[in-house]
Amino acid sequence: GQQVMQIPQYQHVQEGEDFTTYCNSSTTLSNIQWYKQRPGGHPVFLIQLVKSGEVKKQKRLTFQFGEAKKNSSLHITATQTTDVGTYFCAGGDYSTLTFGKGTMLLVSP
Amino acid sequence: DAGVTQSPTHLIKTRGQQVTLRCSPKSGHDTVSWYQQALGQGPQFIFQYYEEEERQRGNFPDRFSGHQFPNYSSELNVNALLLGDSALYLCASSTGQGGDIQYFGAGTRLSVL
Repeated sequence: GQQVMQIPQYQHVQEGEDFTTYCNSSTTLSNIQWYKQRPGGHPVFLIQLVKSGEVKKQKRLTFQFGEAKKNSSLHITATQTTDVGTYFCAGGDYSTLTFGKGTMLLVSP
Repeated sequence: DAGVTQSPTHLIKTRGQQVTLRCSPKSGHDTVSWYQQALGQGPQFIFQYYEEEERQRGNFPDRFSGHQFPNYSSELNVNALLLGDSALYLCASSTGQGGDIQYFGAGTRLSVL
């Protein structure tokens, strides 16, 4: 079945540093979605990418979808303490979503 | 406009018991999916309900079953609980295709002793 891998598992940065998490799928995806889960919370939808090579920005967050539609990345510029949480990518085919294990981000002030 | 609501928030059971978790989808959504999230892991897809039928199923045993009602709300039932069933159970609602954007509830934290 479809597998979605994320790296790194964990990253600890100082406030103001940049952060990137990478996502790779074993199969070609129809779309990729990113979610954020704060400690003790539930996953909250951030963005969906559909087109090959697509790049979307949300303030300090930049999301990319690979040309082959099998990989994606999330980059945060100048992290803030409010960015703390676990970031999940989820690969979509036309029937289900498969979540990666997530990257836990810790930001020290 | 209420989002996805789940009940109960926490539950403690013992091995061998049965449990029922409940979910009301976001207004306007007709598809409900259930996920199991173990500590430190991503959500694992259990199954999805649409039009009161199970549309897709993940790699979970038959001990996990569900139901969707005409008002689109849903239940997740787990029989013969095992210690390994301890996890956060998340309900998510969506519209249209199964791979669409998921709106998650706050989850039910199940502990099996």
